[in-house]
Amino acid sequence: DAKTTQPPSMDCAEGRAANLPCNHSTISGNEYVYWYRQIHSQGPQYIIHGLKNNETNEMASLIITEDRKSSTLILPHATLRDTAVYYCIVRVGHKDDKIIFGKGTRLHILP
Amino acid sequence: DSGVTQTPKHLITATGQRVTLRCSPRSGDLSVYWYQQSLDQGLQFLIQYYNGEERAKGNILERFSAQQFPDLHSELNLSSLELGDSALYFCASSVAPGARELFFGEGSRLTVL
Repeated sequence: DAKTTQPPSMDCAEGRAANLPCNHSTISGNEYVYWYRQIHSQGPQYIIHGLKNNETNEMASLIITEDRKSSTLILPHATLRDTAVYYCIVRVGHKDDKIIFGKGTRLHILP
Repeated sequence: DSGVTQTPKHLITATGQRVTLRCSPRSGDLSVYWYQQSLDQGLQFLIQYYNGEERAKGNILERFSAQQFPDLHSELNLSSLELGDSALYFCASSVAPGARELFFGEGSRLTVL
């Protein structure tokens, strides 16, 4: 079962930052936070992951609270192509054999 | 393009029939994963193979089976099909179990009439 809680949907204006929250209050010390997204009917795509430090790559930034019970994925300048379902996932380091997807957040970018 | 190839892209069949979905992982990836996505269930993990051996099992029905061959391609066999088996079936691959990133194919859309 998914160990995360995400809002079912969010809207964001094009060009603005999209901030997607995720609660993972039962996260263990050795579990990472991963984010994937799925654009309509395509296969999910990896975005970013982190353990406790904030992370940034060319796609997004990941902010993890100090107690690690929640995190926020930030898309700095959302475009229409960012409209997708975003999944927040926790998994044990690099030993876990599978990724369990929850229901995710459906992000609508508004023109 | 993720490098993962799935065939067929679309498949329409009747209840009670059997179908085989095929997946070719990215070059160099040894792990293959199968997921089912239906409208009401979201993405459901079915099964994972690593270098030909089953490594993890999820919510895979007994009517479904899979295998990974020596050339690392994988097949998902669905038998005694029911209307509720209509879904998108995704294959993903990774370098090894627990790798940071899974690369997903474009999926095979199965419609059971």
